[in-house]
Amino acid sequence: LAKTTQPISMDSYEGQEVNITCSHNNIATNDYITWYQQFPSQGPRFIIQGYKTKVTNEVASLFIPADRKSSTLSLPRVSLSDTAVYYCLVGPPGTGKLIFGQGTTLQVKP
Amino acid sequence: GAVVSQHPSRVICKSGTSVKIECRSLDFQATTMFWYRQFPKQSLMLMATSNEGSKATYEQGVEKDKFLINHASLTLSTLTVTSAHPEDSSFYICSARDPRTQTQYFGPGTRLLVL
Repeated sequence: LAKTTQPISMDSYEGQEVNITCSHNNIATNDYITWYQQFPSQGPRFIIQGYKTKVTNEVASLFIPADRKSSTLSLPRVSLSDTAVYYCLVGPPGTGKLIFGQGTTLQVKP
Repeated sequence: GAVVSQHPSRVICKSGTSVKIECRSLDFQATTMFWYRQFPKQSLMLMATSNEGSKATYEQGVEKDKFLINHASLTLSTLTVTSAHPEDSSFYICSARDPRTQTQYFGPGTRLLVL
């Protein structure tokens, strides 16, 4: 399973766009990239998943370069409620076994 | 997205007793579910893979006799912490993979406190 590296923490202000980059140099050909959000004392919440190029949904965008060795989660116009830990995970979709790294703690300030 | 539930959300027990935690996939069938444990200020640690109709697969360092897993149906997996001790106090989270989207969804977690 590919190992991921993310910044431990990030600070932002309300209304700003936040980009969190994840490195996964050893990503395999059939691996997908999935991002989760976790609030204290809650289970992780699925945000977005992608394989290549760009994926967008109602809450975020995921940018994946051609070499797929990194990915960037983009959160548009964050609010205080986006303060959470964000995890980037990679793995093949069929196995379901996800190994969590340390995640990125995002602190949104007023 | 798909919904995974856990019960109970919080449990306090005495040292030496056993505690059962249930994990249910509410709108899809899951042949595979996963159990994680999370200590304060740490990331999630995978404990075991629960397979419907067969034995669970445990990660290295996780005692299978202490953490009993039963996946008796396609929508229910249970984790039983046997002879619980204070060091077993943690946040236990389950997940299930939705076969329709191949996306893994997590339950809300169960806070276990062993006195």
